[in-house]
Amino acid sequence: DADVTQTPRNRITKTGKRIMLECSQTKGHDRMYWYRQDPGLGLQLIYYSFDVKDINKGEISDGYSVSRQAQAKFSLSLESAIPNQTALYFCATSDPTAFGNEQFFGPGTRLTVL
Amino acid sequence: DQQVKQNSPSLSVQEGRISILNCDYTNSMFDYFLWYKKYPAEGPTFLISISSIKDKNEDGRFTVFLNKSAKHLSLHIVPSQPGDSAVYFCAASARGTGNQFYFGTGTSLTVIP
Repeated sequence: DADVTQTPRNRITKTGKRIMLECSQTKGHDRMYWYRQDPGLGLQLIYYSFDVKDINKGEISDGYSVSRQAQAKFSLSLESAIPNQTALYFCATSDPTAFGNEQFFGPGTRLTVL
Repeated sequence: DQQVKQNSPSLSVQEGRISILNCDYTNSMFDYFLWYKKYPAEGPTFLISISSIKDKNEDGRFTVFLNKSAKHLSLHIVPSQPGDSAVYFCAASARGTGNQFYFGTGTSLTVIP
């Protein structure tokens, strides 16, 4: 079973619709992240959470909100989707106490806003 | 502004030869660097990292070199194998930013059998 799962894997929606992307992890990590990937721009950080009560904005948080429902769950919402939010979205987790401090990524959600 | 840059969008190498992927950064506060590998339809996976107190870190066929004065790091893969064909991202962070990493735009490596 995958350690970091994302649902849905693909979503097509219309401008103005509210969309929620969900992320669950079984790694027991406190820290979770949402990134988006656009062609030619790499991964950009949207929001990150150090624990259930700690939410922080990343580089490109405008138009997005998040909810950390539990240590294992971190959801990303687009309140009113717009076409330039069409992208590949990744959730990630990390354990800051681990040597290496790397992030573990989910498989991604491909979102298309028409 | 992109703080971490990978100026080569793609690279092709013959199997068995060396692959060298490059990454430049602008923020002198960055002190920890990682390389991730990404296959299609999958999330990035961690490959190798280096702290700014070192200038080289090696793990099997993969070696990362860090030149702090030039704000440049490189990933060497020797020998390259067809299974290494993927997109490679470098990432950097600064102590005190809470594990916030800045990613480059990626280099697509193709290893030709």
